[in-house]
Amino acid sequence: EDKVVQSPLSLVVHEGDTVTLNCSYEVTNFRSLLWYKQEKKAPTFLFMLTSSGIEKKSGRLSSILDKKELFSILNITATQTGDSAIYLCAVLADYGNKLVFGAGTILRVKS
Amino acid sequence: DTEVTQTPKHLVMGMTNKKSLKCEQHMGHRAMYWYKQKAKKPPELMFVYSYEKLSINESVPSRFSPECPNSSLLNLHLHALQPEDSALYLCASSQDGAGRTEAFFGQGTRLTVV
Repeated sequence: EDKVVQSPLSLVVHEGDTVTLNCSYEVTNFRSLLWYKQEKKAPTFLFMLTSSGIEKKSGRLSSILDKKELFSILNITATQTGDSAIYLCAVLADYGNKLVFGAGTILRVKS
Repeated sequence: DTEVTQTPKHLVMGMTNKKSLKCEQHMGHRAMYWYKQKAKKPPELMFVYSYEKLSINESVPSRFSPECPNSSLLNLHLHALQPEDSALYLCASSQDGAGRTEAFFGQGTRLTVV
C-alpha cells in the first residue's frame, strides 16, 4: 500500500527560527513529490520535485528530494507568523493519476 | 488564470436530499480530481478524471457520483448521504495525469449532512 509519512506532526517555533520538515514515502510507480501549504481551505502549491539532489527554492522556502533514500525535506528560514499552516507532502504515484498525501505537519510560528 | 473554482462554498443537506457540487477550471488542464478532507486529516482521493474519462475510483460509495461533462467541468452528485460524509470536498486539476505537472486545488465545499 502506498504510504507517505511526515514528521514532525506538529512544531512550534519563534519568528526568525529555521525549520526543517520531513517527508518519507513508499509508493509504487513514483512520479514526483509535491509540497503544499494549507491554511484555511485549499492547499496551495509550493514545490514539485522529480529529480534527486536538485534543490528548489522560492524565497525563504527550499526543498530537495532524495529518490534513493525515498525522502524529501522542506526548509523554511527566518520564519514569520504568516508561515503558520499545515504543510502537506504528497506523492504522485500510479502513472501520475494518484496524489497520496501524508498526514501533514502543523507549524505554528510565535511572534 | 491559475484558478479552480468550486461552488457552493458551503452546503447543508438532509440525508434524503440530492445535491451537486461543481468545479470549474479554465487552464486547459486535462486531469481533474475530487478529494475529501475531514478535520485535521489530509485530503483523501476519491475520483480522478483524465481526458474526461473516469480513471480512478477509490472504492467510493455509490451515493457519490462523479460526472465530467466537458474538459473544464467536474461535478459530484450527492444522494442519500450520511452524517459521517460531512467534510471539506476539494476539487483539483492538473495539466495532465501523468505526474509531470502539479495539481491546483479549489477552495473547497464545506458539506454538512444533517
